[in-house]
Amino acid sequence: SQQGEEDPQALSIQEGENATMNCSYKTSINNLQWYRQNSGRGLVHLILIRSNEREKHSGRLRVTLDTSKKSSSLLITASRAADTASYFCATDYNAGNMLTFGGGTRLMVKP
Amino acid sequence: DAGVIQSPRHEVTEMGQEVTLRCKPISGHDYLFWYRQTMMRGLELLIYFNNNVPIDDSGMPEDRFSAKMPNASFSTLKIQPSEPRDSAVYFCASSPGGGKPQHFGDGTRLSIL
Repeated sequence: SQQGEEDPQALSIQEGENATMNCSYKTSINNLQWYRQNSGRGLVHLILIRSNEREKHSGRLRVTLDTSKKSSSLLITASRAADTASYFCATDYNAGNMLTFGGGTRLMVKP
Repeated sequence: DAGVIQSPRHEVTEMGQEVTLRCKPISGHDYLFWYRQTMMRGLELLIYFNNNVPIDDSGMPEDRFSAKMPNASFSTLKIQPSEPRDSAVYFCASSPGGGKPQHFGDGTRLSIL
């Protein structure tokens, strides 16, 4: 399977703390994307990092990509209760438009 | 922009009945994807279309599942006959292609009794 795997499966932190989620994948990719899913809703795209990029920022989000280790991390700084959601990584591995999603990390931020 | 619109949001039906899920993609998006999400298997791609043509249906679990896209603004996913193990949340997503992100609808929560 070429599915990415997130680690940890669940994470509980206090508001204001940083949250780090990791994603590993198995084959070469063109890009890796992170999505967020609130309970009962669809996935929402957060950030895309291309295979030739190592780091990307968007507001309180920081994504890194290590293609030699086939891994990526998503850092959310100064977390808020509203960040409570599931976070998924998705890999574009065939230069097409298909994405393969990981199992997700359930993040809970306590006020 | 209204986003991807799915209907119904919830569907409860008895085993053996036909179920039809509907999706309206974002205007101008050339790609449409159908996914299924369960606790056990996570998010699985069932089928995707490019310019209304099915490109990859290898994720469709059985012949009981079929999907159509008669025009650029409408797609259906049909299950006939339905079984309890089909219970899941079904998502439709669309994208403009070119490696750009996918936009998801809010899903249809399907329960087969």
